[in-house]
Amino acid sequence: GQNIDQPTEMTATEGAIVQINCTYQTSGFNGLFWYQQHAGEAPTFLSYNVLDGLEEKGRFSSFLSRSKGYSYLLLKELQMKDSASYLCAVYILTGGGNKLTFGTGTQLKVEL
Amino acid sequence: DTAVSQTPKYLVTQMGNDKSIKCEQNLGHDTMYWYKQDSKKFLKIMFSYNNKELIINETVPNRFSPKSPDKAHLNLHINSLELGDSAVYFCASSASFRDPRGGYTFGSGTRLTVV
Repeated sequence: GQNIDQPTEMTATEGAIVQINCTYQTSGFNGLFWYQQHAGEAPTFLSYNVLDGLEEKGRFSSFLSRSKGYSYLLLKELQMKDSASYLCAVYILTGGGNKLTFGTGTQLKVEL
Repeated sequence: DTAVSQTPKYLVTQMGNDKSIKCEQNLGHDTMYWYKQDSKKFLKIMFSYNNKELIINETVPNRFSPKSPDKAHLNLHINSLELGDSAVYFCASSASFRDPRGGYTFGSGTRLTVV
């Protein structure tokens, strides 16, 4: 089976840095995604890691360690608009078809 | 121009009714999906179609029947609606189910409420 864990909620201050962790146990791993979802809206793609290491994209960075089954999303210079749910998702190769399997999401609240 | 559009955005209906949700993508993608997001915000895959062919069916009750008339459309028909079907249903697409690099593009969701 698959297991993807991330904290349910986090709170951070505007202008600060926050790290959202994700651990996973799965077979057929073929990459890890981070998505952002504002309340009442569609999830939007943030990052994709398939190799170990850090991927940086503006204020957002994502890290992957395949051997540890661990990833994190780093958000710098937090803004109020970053308040959203952040979804960790693993891409899994299966015999029947490849699929993106999501964790339960981390609700991030950015405060003044 | 919306990349993945689904209609309706809201759907309120009584138990036992049959309803459909439509989805269209203009990205030229080969693969389309239906996901269900429950009240705890957990997003779970239901179906996946590649070039009109079903490739994933995640043990969804057979009251749910997807249909893909062409690779740009994936509709979801639900028979005999139950209270537990209340959720937000998201359609998504990707360039190819073999190559994940571009990620999935999601529609804006259909909030289904069964009363």
